[in-house]
Amino acid sequence: DTTVKQNPRYKLARVGKPVNLICSQTMNHDTMYWYQKKPNQAPKLLLFYYDKILNREADTFEKFQSSRPNNSFCSLYIGSAGLEYSAMYLCASSTGLGGYEQYFGPGTRLTVL
Amino acid sequence: GDSVTQKQGQVTLSEDDFLFINCTYSTTTYPTLFWYVQYPGQGPQLLLKVTTANNKGISRGFEATYDKGTTSFHLQKASVQESDSAVYFCALVPNSGGSNAKLTFGKGTKLSVKS
Repeated sequence: DTTVKQNPRYKLARVGKPVNLICSQTMNHDTMYWYQKKPNQAPKLLLFYYDKILNREADTFEKFQSSRPNNSFCSLYIGSAGLEYSAMYLCASSTGLGGYEQYFGPGTRLTVL
Repeated sequence: GDSVTQKQGQVTLSEDDFLFINCTYSTTTYPTLFWYVQYPGQGPQLLLKVTTANNKGISRGFEATYDKGTTSFHLQKASVQESDSAVYFCALVPNSGGSNAKLTFGKGTKLSVKS
C-alpha cells in the first residue's frame, strides 16, 4: 500500500485560531514532508522529518510547528491562523532524503476566514 | 538557490495531439530531475525520474531528456489522451546530499485534453 492519508480533506478556520493537520503513511518511510501549495505557485516545502529530526525551512521557521509521535504519523500545526495561510497543504513521505520518490497525500485545503 | 521554470501555465490540446511541456532549471550541481503528475482530487505522483547516469526517462508514453547544455528537461508525448488531463510539475533535487537535497518544484503546467 503506497497510500499517504491526510485528515481532514477540507478545513475552515477563523483568523487567530489554531489549526492542526494530520498525515499518515504505512510504508515505513523514514522521511515525511509538508508542502504548502497556493494557486499559480510551486509547492513550497515548509518542513520535513528525517526519522525523529525536524528540519524547518528558514523563511517559515516561526509560522509552522510539527510533531511526529511515531514513524507513521506527522502533524502540521499553525498556532494562530492568518488569511495568508489559506492554501492546499500536501503531505509526502519517502525512503531517505535526496533523489528518492516522494509519495503524496491528496492534500488538505485550508480556508482561513 | 535552486529554481525550476515552467513557462506554460496551461496547455489545451485535442486527443492524439503531440504534447510538449517546457521546463528549465538552475542549480549549482548536476541534479536529479523529475516530472510529477497530479490528477484531479489526488496528490502529485511520480511520472519520470532521470539522473545524470541515464539522461532520458520514459514512462506511460511520456519521455523527457536531461539536457545539461541548455539546462532543460522538457516533457513530451507523441499522442495525448483525455485521461492525460492533469497538472504536470517539473522538479529537481540537487546532488549536494544531506538535508540540502530537497525537492524544488516548478509552478506546474495544467494540461487539458479535449476528446
